[in-house]
Amino acid sequence: QKEVEQNSGPLSVPEGAIASLNCTYSDRGSQSFFWYRQYSGKSPELIMSIYSNGDKEDGRFTAQLNKASQYVSLLIRDSQPSDSATYLCAVKGDSSNTGKLIFGQGTTLQVKP
Amino acid sequence: GAGVSQSPRYKVAKRGQDVALRCDPISGHVSLFWYQQALGQGPEFLTYFQNEAQLDKSGLPSDRFFAERPEGSVSTLKIQRTQQEDSAVYLCASSLGTSTEAFFGQGTRLTVV
Repeated sequence: QKEVEQNSGPLSVPEGAIASLNCTYSDRGSQSFFWYRQYSGKSPELIMSIYSNGDKEDGRFTAQLNKASQYVSLLIRDSQPSDSATYLCAVKGDSSNTGKLIFGQGTTLQVKP
Repeated sequence: GAGVSQSPRYKVAKRGQDVALRCDPISGHVSLFWYQQALGQGPEFLTYFQNEAQLDKSGLPSDRFFAERPEGSVSTLKIQRTQQEDSAVYLCASSLGTSTEAFFGQGTRLTVV
């Protein structure tokens, strides 16, 4: 079992819809969770971080964390074609004092005009 | 510079050749990470530096991989006797510390033929 799992997709949503991206992780001791966006041929870019259970909203993005279920999600409201990219879930474990991130394989999102 | 700079952007190596990939982190960033990203996968951790000290090299796939950061700024990832399975994008990231956001460079795409 991989440490961080995501459905590779592609997830296809129409413009203006809500896109829901999901991620599960195996290390119960994990404390920090991140969503990165990666456009084709580009480097990952941090869009959300979340550290405690519940929801965290930033503009059109909402991250949700449920540590009991070891589950993280990202909601994108009013999806735009420019949101089309691969979304990477990343986890930083409390056993790692280095700050290294464990990434999922990424979910490809396609927003159709 | 304003961001993490990596060079070269693209490298084609014949099987068996040695390659050196360079990372110039954001000025003042203490932490530096190397990741390997295979096509269609998320980045995988290779190694971590805190200033000039290599504190974690658990992700290096074989003893053909070697990284250094002698003066605590620029880092070089060296791969000896390259193999086809080494073909990937090599990403460098830096951060102020272990609990702060990591910024990624554009990566070096290595193709071994």
